[in-house]
Amino acid sequence: GNSVTQMEGPVTLSEEAFLTINCTYTATGYPSLFWYVQYPGEGLQLLLKATKADDKGSNKGFEATYRKETTSFHLEKGSVQVSDSAVYFCALINSNTGKLIFGQGTTLQVKP
Amino acid sequence: NAGVTQTPKFQVLKTGQSMTLQCAQDMNHNSMYWYRQDPGMGLRLIYYSASEGTTDKGEVPNGYNVSRLNKREFSLRLESAAPSQTSVYFCASSEGPGGTQYFGPGTRLLVL
Repeated sequence: GNSVTQMEGPVTLSEEAFLTINCTYTATGYPSLFWYVQYPGEGLQLLLKATKADDKGSNKGFEATYRKETTSFHLEKGSVQVSDSAVYFCALINSNTGKLIFGQGTTLQVKP
Repeated sequence: NAGVTQTPKFQVLKTGQSMTLQCAQDMNHNSMYWYRQDPGMGLRLIYYSASEGTTDKGEVPNGYNVSRLNKREFSLRLESAAPSQTSVYFCASSEGPGGTQYFGPGTRLLVL
């Protein structure tokens, strides 16, 4: 079946540090991949997406590349800010079922 | 453009009480979804509606019912609330099945 696995959190970084949050997936067919972000007390916002192999999604300084050979979609940012503190969810949609499958979420805490 | 709106924001129920969570979207989307979010488990799909007039079970449908009232509105009903239904509930919509999903702000439900 389809599944998404994220690195366990919490991840604690100092401001301006480099961020990587690992995400790997298992899926049949050719899924689209997503990163969603949830700020404290809010709903989920789409951060970036990639719909096919080797695509790079990017937004607000965050990037993730769809790697079919390693079934991964790791989230990166070169220099994090305190305002990036949130929970990050990796997810996939299988085009056959149309259902969005989420990882368990990774909490990022950025300290000044 | 409000996107996806949900009411209420917060609700406390006693075991056995019933309630309906409301969701509306103004993006002219065909597909709508209800998820629940529990600590350490990511989001899990309760029910979805691929298009107006259709509804289908997701991963955790037991104890819930849904109504796709029209293209804009998709409600979730708890007929007899249980403490295990204490959670944060998110509604989402997409242009069609398999499309990018956009989320509402959530309803925090506490069942005593």
